[in-house]
Amino acid sequence: DAKTTQPTSMDCAEGRAANLPCNHSTISGNEYVYWYRQIHSQGPQYIIHGLKNNETNEMASLIITEDRKSSTLILPHATLRDTAVYYCIVRVVNDYKLSFGAGTTVTVRA
Amino acid sequence: DGGITQSPKYLFRKEGQNVTLSCEQNLNHDAMYWYRQDPGQGLRLIYYSQIVNDFQKGDIAEGYSVSREKKESFPLTVTSAQKNPTAFYLCASSISRTGSQPQHFGDGTRLSIL
Repeated sequence: DAKTTQPTSMDCAEGRAANLPCNHSTISGNEYVYWYRQIHSQGPQYIIHGLKNNETNEMASLIITEDRKSSTLILPHATLRDTAVYYCIVRVVNDYKLSFGAGTTVTVRA
Repeated sequence: DGGITQSPKYLFRKEGQNVTLSCEQNLNHDAMYWYRQDPGQGLRLIYYSQIVNDFQKGDIAEGYSVSREKKESFPLTVTSAQKNPTAFYLCASSISRTGSQPQHFGDGTRLSIL
């Protein structure tokens, strides 16, 4: 499995965009980039995923570099409810399981 | 609302007792999964099922059993053979088991030993 590297923690201001980086320098062509988040004592919440192209949904945007070795999750207008641990995961197209690393603890401050 | 329902939210097990954790989904998903999460650690796959009446062992299946008699239900039994059952148990489902489809999670069951 390709590994991902994320910062241990980040602070961001409420109402501002939050940009969460992830390095996945050994990613293969058939591996997706997934982002999940987990609020304390709750199940992980799916945010977004992509293969090569940038993706956007109602929660966030995913920017994947052209060489696919890194990506950035963008929360356009962070709120206090976005405080959580964010996980960047690389997943092979035919893999049935998710492998969560340590993630980034994001704290949104008023 | 469509989603995944896990119950109970908290469960206590006595020594030598089997307990069953419930997982129900109304998303019409074919694939379902059970993961275990220990404090400060990532998720570990216990069992998964691609279709009714079929399931496969994950990385840490010893001491656990499952059934998949209905598409919407995938209960997990923690048997007395599981010597360290205290953990947060998460059920997930996806349209199919391929990596192109996201898994969606329930809110978990926290199991403790009395």
